[in-house]
Amino acid sequence: SYELIQSPSVSVSPGQTARITCSGDAFPKKYVYWYQQKSGQAPVVVIYEDSKRPSRIPERFSGSSSGTQATLTISGAQVEDEADYYCYSTDSSGNVFGGGTKLTVL
Amino acid sequence: VLLVESGGAVVQPGGSLRLSCAASGFTFDDNAMHWVRQAPGKGLEWISLITWDGDATYYADSVKGRFTISRDNSKNSLYLQMNSLRTEDTALYYCAKSTSANYFGYLDYWGQGTLVTVSS
Repeated sequence: SYELIQSPSVSVSPGQTARITCSGDAFPKKYVYWYQQKSGQAPVVVIYEDSKRPSRIPERFSGSSSGTQATLTISGAQVEDEADYYCYSTDSSGNVFGGGTKLTVL
Repeated sequence: VLLVESGGAVVQPGGSLRLSCAASGFTFDDNAMHWVRQAPGKGLEWISLITWDGDATYYADSVKGRFTISRDNSKNSLYLQMNSLRTEDTALYYCAKSTSANYFGYLDYWGQGTLVTVSS
């Protein structure tokens, strides 16, 4: 079955750049999406179709994809960006979320 | 867009439960719908999708043959019938709207979830 692999945790200081990666064999052909989930809340999409940002999401969030790896970048991370981040993709063999990355900003 | 799940409860292993999701704020039969779950302290797990017309359904291997997704477009409602429940099905269950009418797309709006606990 299709799998997406994320590092369990990333830690940065406020104002630094945070990079969260997601590996998947189908990425060159399939879009990746990124979700932010803050404690006790439902997930919110922050990046769709590899690199597009919904209008309500701050400009410091960006996405890229190259080969079998996708990256969510938060430029100048803020304390309020502390959350779990999940990549998501759809393949003919199924829909799947990555295992999630806990971002700590302190 | 508003999605409100209901039907979560405590149920014994082997039991059944039916979840509902009431949708509003968009044209319900324009979009496919998903169920996603999250076990306590764990990550998100996609479990099922139904196309806009209900003609096609898809399941994760972990629930295939035990869970059935359905929808009633006349009632703007999504359902998840869960049978042969196991302790590992304990989770918060979210319904989510797809950006697509069919299989491909992503989940752009989510409900707040309903809690299912499978325990003896």
